[in-house]
Amino acid sequence: DTEVTQTPKHLVMGMTNKKSLKCEQHMGHRAMYWYKQKAKKPPELMFVYSYEKLSINESVPSRFSPECPNSSLLNLHLHALQPEDSALYLCASSPKKGQQARDEKLFFGSGTQLSVL
Amino acid sequence: QKEVEQNSGPLSVPEGAIASLNCTYSDRGSQSFFWYRQYSGKSPELIMFIYSNGDKEDGRFTAQLNKASQYVSLLIRDSQPSDSATYLCAVRTAGGGNKLTFGTGTQLKVEL
Repeated sequence: DTEVTQTPKHLVMGMTNKKSLKCEQHMGHRAMYWYKQKAKKPPELMFVYSYEKLSINESVPSRFSPECPNSSLLNLHLHALQPEDSALYLCASSPKKGQQARDEKLFFGSGTQLSVL
Repeated sequence: QKEVEQNSGPLSVPEGAIASLNCTYSDRGSQSFFWYRQYSGKSPELIMFIYSNGDKEDGRFTAQLNKASQYVSLLIRDSQPSDSATYLCAVRTAGGGNKLTFGTGTQLKVEL
């Protein structure tokens, strides 16, 4: 299994809703990531989990809440989002061979296209 | 100065030609360099990575790295219409842990 699976593929939510994005990988990777990508812009890092612990939070607003229940799963809980949060949310994983492994490669899921009304 | 810079394009090349995509980066301590291909509405797909000066070839793709000039490039030989996509350069800096910084991407169009 060489895939990173994200659900749902599309999500429309109102500003008062609570929803969650899910990500799963069975490659034995020990680092997992959330990226946000607006149209015609590069992916922007939001969070990194390393060995199920949050290692990087790129000053993301608290209306985004990540969770890593185990080494295969990563969630992103959404609450009180704004229309400007509409974007493609990408999950990625990497083997985490070592902190400074030069060939540590990220593998992306297909993303969740989120629209906030 | 942006950390990773790419010409946004579009870069148009005829089918069968060589496409040359360029990327510069600002952090001299950068360790690893990755090229991702992204089709419209799809997720990025890793196609090449390089961390030593010089060339690295994989099929029709060649990555070139010049750390002294802080420059990395991707050559695509015998370009095909299916190569039409946005190509993202990504850089991992020393001490940055698992953080990759992406350039804005170059849109490539391969014309029949």
